[in-house]
Amino acid sequence: EPEVTQTPSHQVTQMGQEVILRCVPISNHLYFYWYRQILGQKVEFLVSFYNNEISEKSEIFDDQFSVERPDGSNFTLKIRSTKLEDSAMYFCASSVDTGELFFGEGSRLTVL
Amino acid sequence: EDQVTQSPEALRLQEGESSSLNCSYTVSGLRGLFWYRQDPGKGPEFLFTLYSAGEEKEKERLKATLTKKESFLHITAPKPEDSATYLCAVQVRGAQKLVFGQGTRLTINP
Repeated sequence: EPEVTQTPSHQVTQMGQEVILRCVPISNHLYFYWYRQILGQKVEFLVSFYNNEISEKSEIFDDQFSVERPDGSNFTLKIRSTKLEDSAMYFCASSVDTGELFFGEGSRLTVL
Repeated sequence: EDQVTQSPEALRLQEGESSSLNCSYTVSGLRGLFWYRQDPGKGPEFLFTLYSAGEEKEKERLKATLTKKESFLHITAPKPEDSATYLCAVQVRGAQKLVFGQGTRLTINP
């Protein structure tokens, strides 16, 4: 069964460092997303991406965040200068249309 | 503001003891309501989408229903492997994002 894959599964970084989280969405999907879940809290929307551009973003997704689809398979989330409060599980998701989203296993980011 | 509230926060059942989880929502216009299952340290796993009041979907021991204000996830004769957190999310018309509830942590004791 096709699945969304994410790397790394866990990353530890120092405050102020740049982090790139990588995702390979399901191959025939057209919409790509990043969500995050701070420990013990709700899953929160960050950004959606369609046709090589951001189609929707939340207020969380400020200038320190960026997304890119550098080739035909990868979808990345970059955090430019990490803060302690960026520590969370980051989930990539993809969908055929704007309906059912299929999520990856997540990348746990720990900022020290 | 679009809101999703799930209850109870946690539910402990004996194997075979049927029950229901609730998801109440307040949105400007509902495009769809989604149920996901999440195991500890894992990503949400898609279960169901419901689009209109009165709609029902079933999968194994789970059945999801939808009204204009809430959705229920009924679990019939659950087994220990049904233990997980069940998440409800809504998608508003014209938007792509999902707004999630806090989840219900379900534990099924053998």
